[in-house]
Amino acid sequence: SQQGEEDPQALSIQEGENATMNCSYKTSINNLQWYRQNSGRGLVHLILIRSNEREKHSGRLRVTLDTSKKSSSLLITASRAADTASYFCATAHGNQFYFGTGTSLTVIP
Amino acid sequence: DSGVTQTPKHLITATGQRVTLRCSPRSGDLSVYWYQQSLDQGLQFLIQYYNGEERAKGNILERFSAQQFPDLHSELNLSSLELGDSALYFCASSPLAGGVTDTQYFGPGTRLTVL
Repeated sequence: SQQGEEDPQALSIQEGENATMNCSYKTSINNLQWYRQNSGRGLVHLILIRSNEREKHSGRLRVTLDTSKKSSSLLITASRAADTASYFCATAHGNQFYFGTGTSLTVIP
Repeated sequence: DSGVTQTPKHLITATGQRVTLRCSPRSGDLSVYWYQQSLDQGLQFLIQYYNGEERAKGNILERFSAQQFPDLHSELNLSSLELGDSALYFCASSPLAGGVTDTQYFGPGTRLTVL
């Protein structure tokens, strides 16, 4: 399967702490995107990083991409209880789209 | 609110039946994607349509079919339903054909329960 794998599967932190989740994938990609999903709801796009970029910031989010290791990380700084959700990486390879298995983040108030 | 609408929100049906899920993309978006999300399989890409034409195919079963109409709304048809087809079905849309910077916007999903 070319599906990405997120690590860890589940993460529980205190409010105010930083949360880091990782994504590994198997094939060359056009871009990598991170999405967030609240329980039972649709996915919300967070950030996109192109294959020729190494780091990108958006508010409290920082994404890195290492194409040599086929991996990406999402850092959420100063976490809030409202950040509790599942986070997925998604890769575009040609016309195919692959979502990872997701990291379930719980931020404890 | 992403601007993508899906109907119905919930669907309960029996094995062997046929159902149709409907999706309206964001205004101006030309691509529509269908995904299936189940507990054991995760989020699986099924199929993409761009401006009425099939653009990419993922793990879509032969019992499933989709189409995109001239007004760009899309329907996903699921037939000969099995218990294992119970899942959340998401539609997403994007402005373009899925290029390097094309972001997908997801609808709220249709929860299908097959009894």
